[in-house]
Amino acid sequence: AQKVTQAQTEISVVEKEDVTLDCVYETRDTTYYLFWYKQPPSGELVFLIRRNSFDEQNEISGRYSWNFQKSTSSFNFTITASQVVDSAVYFCALSEVGESSGDKLTFGTGTRLAVRP
Amino acid sequence: KAGVTQTPRYLIKTRGQQVTLSCSPISGHRSVSWYQQTPGQGLQFLFEYFSETQRNKGNFPGRFSGRQFSNSRSEMNVSTLELGDSALYLCASSNPSGVNTEAFFGQGTRLTVV
Repeated sequence: AQKVTQAQTEISVVEKEDVTLDCVYETRDTTYYLFWYKQPPSGELVFLIRRNSFDEQNEISGRYSWNFQKSTSSFNFTITASQVVDSAVYFCALSEVGESSGDKLTFGTGTRLAVRP
Repeated sequence: KAGVTQTPRYLIKTRGQQVTLSCSPISGHRSVSWYQQTPGQGLQFLFEYFSETQRNKGNFPGRFSGRQFSNSRSEMNVSTLELGDSALYLCASSNPSGVNTEAFFGQGTRLTVV
């Protein structure tokens, strides 16, 4: 069975600090996808990134960066120079691959990030 | 391009009643998934529809059902509501050109069962 663990329930930082959100996953599949979503107070989940299991290159998008390490089954997310607008709940998710598996996402429990001015 | 639209946004129902929630996906998307979000259980997959067929189903009782129409709009129905069904129900749609593409979520329907 698939499982995603986000051990950090809540993190509080001061604006401009860097913060890393941890994500550890479990799957028996050799091919899978990993995602990060942001959930602001409005409720909708906002897609941030998708990474397939064959692509271990780190990715940077503006102040966001992701570190995928298959050897430790981790897919960590770093926000550099955090801003108040980054305050939200962040979810890591995992999906199987294949037509029959559809687009089912297994989510972690989320990390609530509070960025104080 | 319009996003995923869920209606209604808020709903209050009495235990034992039934409820129908609606989701209009992004134009051109044929995959629609439903998730339940509660403080205790987090985000849990309910089911996914693709081209009017249920392609995947989560571990929920038969009281939870869904369907998808030819225009890809989807509805989910919960019968004999229980207090524990109070949750934020999120719908997501995905690009039809492939699988495991990013899912775009609506703002959800917040259901309260009293």
